[in-house]
Amino acid sequence: DVKVTQSSRYLVKRTGEKVFLECVQDMDHENMFWYRQDPGLGLRLIYFSYDVKMKEKGDIREGYSVSREKKERFSLILESASTNQTSMYLCAHRRRENTEAFFGQGTRLTVV
Amino acid sequence: GEDVEQSLFLSVREGDSSVINCTYTDSSSTYLYWYKQEPGAGLQLLTYIFSNMDMKQDQRLTVLLNKKDKHLSLRIADTQTGDSAIYFCAETSYTGGFKTIFGAGTRLFVKA
Repeated sequence: DVKVTQSSRYLVKRTGEKVFLECVQDMDHENMFWYRQDPGLGLRLIYFSYDVKMKEKGDIREGYSVSREKKERFSLILESASTNQTSMYLCAHRRRENTEAFFGQGTRLTVV
Repeated sequence: GEDVEQSLFLSVREGDSSVINCTYTDSSSTYLYWYKQEPGAGLQLLTYIFSNMDMKQDQRLTVLLNKKDKHLSLRIADTQTGDSAIYFCAETSYTGGFKTIFGAGTRLFVKA
């Protein structure tokens, strides 16, 4: 079975805190992604990584950074959480560009 | 930048056909996808089509692609209550390094 593990299903953080969202996959896939999902806006790409230590910015850049030190793990970092970062965060991975992307269950982050 | 648009809601009666439409802007799109998201779950790939195809059928699902108009549709025959979900259209293209762009999602309501 495909396994995409996101570190938490629900998370509540205070404004200004540094937040780490972890994503781990066990399929040895090169491409990994972080999206945020908001009602009426669908999925918006934050960052994607096509290999270890490689990353590309998506459509939302401000307030986020990522880390890919190992192939199986892709971390999303909110340097200083703000209330407008309250959202559902989805991690995904795929082997290459023309293959299915597998999604995690998502982390619902609330920043208070 | 690339954009994918779809209507936000669709309501059908059980047993009828559902047609969910999507338009995209990137003429270099190479792969187009339909994903399904059930409540509380991540996204699951339903079907996909390569840009050199104009139709693909898979059991109750029919995907039509009009590349000239950049229009993609998903038809679900004999819609069931279990088909109630959010359906996301997505495209991957060489532009931007094969990142996948999603639409806002169409919420399908199936009335018994």
